[in-house]
Amino acid sequence: DAGVIQSPRHEVTEMGQEVTLRCKPISGHNSLFWYRQTMMRGLELLIYFNNNVPIDDSGMPEDRFSAKMPNASFSTLKIQPSEPRDSAVYFCATCRFYTDTQYFGPGTRLTVL
Amino acid sequence: EDQVTQSPEALRLQEGESSSLNCSYTVSGLRGLFWYRQDPGKGPEFLFTLYSAGEEKEKERLKATLTKKESFLHITAPKPEDSATYLCAVYENYGGSQGNLIFGKGTKLSVKP
Repeated sequence: DAGVIQSPRHEVTEMGQEVTLRCKPISGHNSLFWYRQTMMRGLELLIYFNNNVPIDDSGMPEDRFSAKMPNASFSTLKIQPSEPRDSAVYFCATCRFYTDTQYFGPGTRLTVL
Repeated sequence: EDQVTQSPEALRLQEGESSSLNCSYTVSGLRGLFWYRQDPGKGPEFLFTLYSAGEEKEKERLKATLTKKESFLHITAPKPEDSATYLCAVYENYGGSQGNLIFGKGTKLSVKP
């Protein structure tokens, strides 16, 4: 049974470029979460979806960040334009319903030069 | 004020030297406390969920316990492969309504042979 799939695993880009991170949830999971992890701040929730609908995006740091979930099997997190302070590991996590155990993907390590 | 505090930040043990990790939380009306293990370069891996004070769960050398204000992760006779960062998380509570999952900063455990 495949777990949460994220791509790319590593992304190096230059300041000002657009970055798109992708996530495929576990089949049957109806809630999807995007997190950012840094040494200083740990794991922070950016946004979550329930049944493909964005519910809480209060963690999205700025308008440069946007997320979509066009269907139950795919979500994207986009940063445009990217800045060096966006460098972090971005995780996608999914669960069957909102309060259930969340299962994490392997993460995307983003480096913005 | 942090709602989830983990201690110590780092812990070094000799193989076979048992110890405990602490997770204290300030949310009221706990609706689930989660323990995860995170290896370098990987996403958090689910270990346990605890829901009520007095509850205990075990998995191999790990045992998680819960009180009204904190949780302990006991590691009995650890082995080098237990080396990882252990994360604790709870759902925050907005005046009776459930908020998002809040993670502690983690305890980095190193077990030397």
